Amino acid sequence: GNSVTQMEGPVTLSEEAFLTINCTYTATGYPSLFWYVQYPGEGLQLLLKATKADDKGSNKGFEATYRKETTSFHLEKGSVQVSDSAVYFCALSSSDSNYQLIWGAGTKLIIKP
Amino acid sequence: ETGVTQSPTHLIKTRGQQVTLRCSSQSGHNTVSWYQQALGQGPQFIFQYYREEENGRGNFPPRFSGLQFPNYSSELNVNALELDDSALYLCASSQDRGRGQPQHFGDGTRLSIL
Repeated sequence: GNSVTQMEGPVTLSEEAFLTINCTYTATGYPSLFWYVQYPGEGLQLLLKATKADDKGSNKGFEATYRKETTSFHLEKGSVQVSDSAVYFCALSSSDSNYQLIWGAGTKLIIKP
Repeated sequence: ETGVTQSPTHLIKTRGQQVTLRCSSQSGHNTVSWYQQALGQGPQFIFQYYREEENGRGNFPPRFSGLQFPNYSSELNVNALELDDSALYLCASSQDRGRGQPQHFGDGTRLSIL
């Protein structure tokens, strides 16, 4: 079946550091890929998405590129801020799972000033 | 544009009781999905409604049931509550159940079972 694997957290970085959160997936066909962010005490917010191979999603300085050859969708940001501290979830949606979102376990990001 | 709203925000129940959670979808969205998120974990898919019909269900027992109304708002009902039902319940809406459509989430209902 379809699945998403994320790097385990927490990930702790200093402000202005470079961020990478790894995400790989297993899916048949051509899934759409998403990154969601959950700030403490809040619901999930869509951060970015990509719907086909080589697409790059971007938002708020975050980027992720849909790499079909490596089945990956790694999240990157060049310079993180304390306000980026949150839990980040990678997810996929595919026709063979009836377009349900399949989620990774989440990666907690802690940014220290 | 009004986003996804859920009510109530917090709820405390005891074992064996029943609960109804409500969700108003974002304007123009006809698909609603419900998720259960236990503390420190990722969301688990409960079920999805598309144009008032159930359109997929996750690995949850029948005591979890739902409805979608003609205005595309939705309810999640849970009967015979158990301690393990304590979680954040998230509702998400989308424009269509189709591929590539992002789901937009409400802030959730925090359900605590005593």
